[in-house]
Amino acid sequence: DTAVSQTPKYLVTQMGNDKSIKCEQNLGHDTMYWYKQDSKKFLKIMFSYNNKELIINETVPNRFSPKSPDKAHLNLHINSLELGDSAVYFCASGDIGTTADTQYFGPGTRLTVL
Amino acid sequence: GEDVEQSLFLSVREGDSSVINCTYTDSSSTYLYWYKQEPGAGLQLLTYIFSNMDMKQDQRLTVLLNKKDKHLSLRIADTQTGDSAIYFCAESPRDNDMRFGAGTRLTVKP
Repeated sequence: DTAVSQTPKYLVTQMGNDKSIKCEQNLGHDTMYWYKQDSKKFLKIMFSYNNKELIINETVPNRFSPKSPDKAHLNLHINSLELGDSAVYFCASGDIGTTADTQYFGPGTRLTVL
Repeated sequence: GEDVEQSLFLSVREGDSSVINCTYTDSSSTYLYWYKQEPGAGLQLLTYIFSNMDMKQDQRLTVLLNKKDKHLSLRIADTQTGDSAIYFCAESPRDNDMRFGAGTRLTVKP
């Protein structure tokens, strides 16, 4: 069974559209994350949710809105897509505790905005 | 610097050792990580080291940490073709934040 899954795997859309990317984890973790990977493979954190509550919100345009219906899901909705939004988006989950903060990543969603 | 830095490419012959180097940014980082990404897959945690350690060995993997220079390295002994992937170094300067390098693409030639 896939631990962290994302859908869709590929998303191609026109500028100005609104799209969502879904993420689900079956590891029982309390915390989920969204990262954006730029063209140089650098991963930057966008959001983090702990038990459905937003705990990290980096400097991301407010066109990006995360939604967590329950602690196993963290979806990313993007309004009015722009060319610069093209990237691979990774979802991750993990536990916060006194041991290492290990995170498990999904396979990524490649978003292409035309 | 503000970025976690790694060289982008490394090519070795099968059976040789690979050493991937990384310079991180925040001396308060408690944990430092190495992740592996195979084509089309997510990031897989390979190993991590706690900041009060100098070295950690896990089968073919050896992690060395130099806190003074903020330098982290990953050595893979007896490198195999299945080790070909992109390796990411990462630091955790505060809870719920991970800062990744750009990744080093390791190519293993038969």
